Amino acid sequence: QKEVEQDPGPLSVPEGAIVSLNCTYSNSAFQYFMWYRQYSRKGPELLMYTYSSGNKEDGRFTAQVDKSSKYISLFIRDSQPSDSATYLCAMSAAGGGNKLTFGTGTQLKVEL
Amino acid sequence: KAGVTQTPRYLIKTRGQQVTLSCSPISGHRSVSWYQQTPGQGLQFLFEYFSETQRNKGNFPGRFSGRQFSNSRSEMNVSTLELGDSALYLCASSLRGAHNEQFFGPGTRLTVL
Repeated sequence: QKEVEQDPGPLSVPEGAIVSLNCTYSNSAFQYFMWYRQYSRKGPELLMYTYSSGNKEDGRFTAQVDKSSKYISLFIRDSQPSDSATYLCAMSAAGGGNKLTFGTGTQLKVEL
Repeated sequence: KAGVTQTPRYLIKTRGQQVTLSCSPISGHRSVSWYQQTPGQGLQFLFEYFSETQRNKGNFPGRFSGRQFSNSRSEMNVSTLELGDSALYLCASSLRGAHNEQFFGPGTRLTVL
């Protein structure tokens, strides 16, 4: 079983919809949680970085971490066609330096 | 500020050869990490360097190695290439040695024939 599980999709939504992306994890040592967006043939782009449990909002993006359930989410409001990409969750453990463990990514398509 | 740069962007090699990939981090960043991305396994951590020292290593065979120079630039080397080494190799840089935002380069796409 992988340390980080993420539904690969694909997920298709209409423009303007609220998108919910999720990851679950099994390693309770994970303390730092990130969401990356990756367009085809590009490197991942950091969207959100959070520490421990709670919510963080940045523009149309909200990241939620529930450490008691080992569950993290990314919400995208007012989704746009330009949001069509693969979304990767990543996490690191205390004492693990900068080593990131990634989910497999969810492919999102926002349709006009 | 310039982002992370990786060279070359594309590479084709044959089995048994070796390859060296290069990564230049964002100016001022001292930590460089390498990842392998494949359709089947996703993004997997290879190793991390901070101040010219390897701090972490993933579960890859010894054919995969790396180093970091005093200017924080990093190289990774793969010897005796196998078909399964075909992947996108990504480099990420961060300012400090732990729990920092990491910024990825565009990657080097390696094809092994």
